[in-house]
Amino acid sequence: LAKTTQPISMDSYEGQEVNITCSHNNIATNDYITWYQQFPSQGPRFIIQGYKTKVTNEVASLFIPADRKSSTLSLPRVSLSDTAVYYCLVGDNENYGQNFVFGPGTRLSVLP
Amino acid sequence: NAGVTQTPKFRVLKTGQSMTLLCAQDMNHEYMYWYRQDPGMGLRLIHYSVGEGTTAKGEVPDGYNVSRLKKQNFLLGLESAAPSQTSVYFCASGGGGVGELFFGEGSRLTVL
Repeated sequence: LAKTTQPISMDSYEGQEVNITCSHNNIATNDYITWYQQFPSQGPRFIIQGYKTKVTNEVASLFIPADRKSSTLSLPRVSLSDTAVYYCLVGDNENYGQNFVFGPGTRLSVLP
Repeated sequence: NAGVTQTPKFRVLKTGQSMTLLCAQDMNHEYMYWYRQDPGMGLRLIHYSVGEGTTAKGEVPDGYNVSRLKKQNFLLGLESAAPSQTSVYFCASGGGGVGELFFGEGSRLTVL
């Protein structure tokens, strides 16, 4: 079961790019890296997923180095509405969500 | 398209009472999950199901029971509620791809 480590909290200002790094030194060959976002009083929401290199969608980018021992979620030009908790998870396709561990996540505060 | 629906959204119980939380999904997903989230913490997996008629224990199963009689429904039961079970409960479903779980809005349970 791959464990992840990410900063507990981060502050940013509107319009800045925010990068949240997650460490997963014990990631297995079949594991994917997935990020979720959670607003207060809501369930987590899927943001992005990747296996290696770079993945980009309309919300964020995910950078994964060749050794896959870490990953970085990049949020371009954040706004106040991006204030949320961000979770990094690793898990394989066979077990799907059974071994996903939602740790405390990173609490991002976007300031005006 | 409702996605994942949880009922009830709020409930107050007295110690020793029983109750059932209902989770319904309309996405034909095979996998369903029940999590609990305590203040300032990440989500912890209680029980999960990999298909109709199947259930399995997660990280914190004690004090809870589940049933998956129909593919679209996943029930979480508390036979004898305790104050330590005061929490927000989230249901999730998945099956459309690796790592993408769809969460309900949560059910806030208070046990006095």
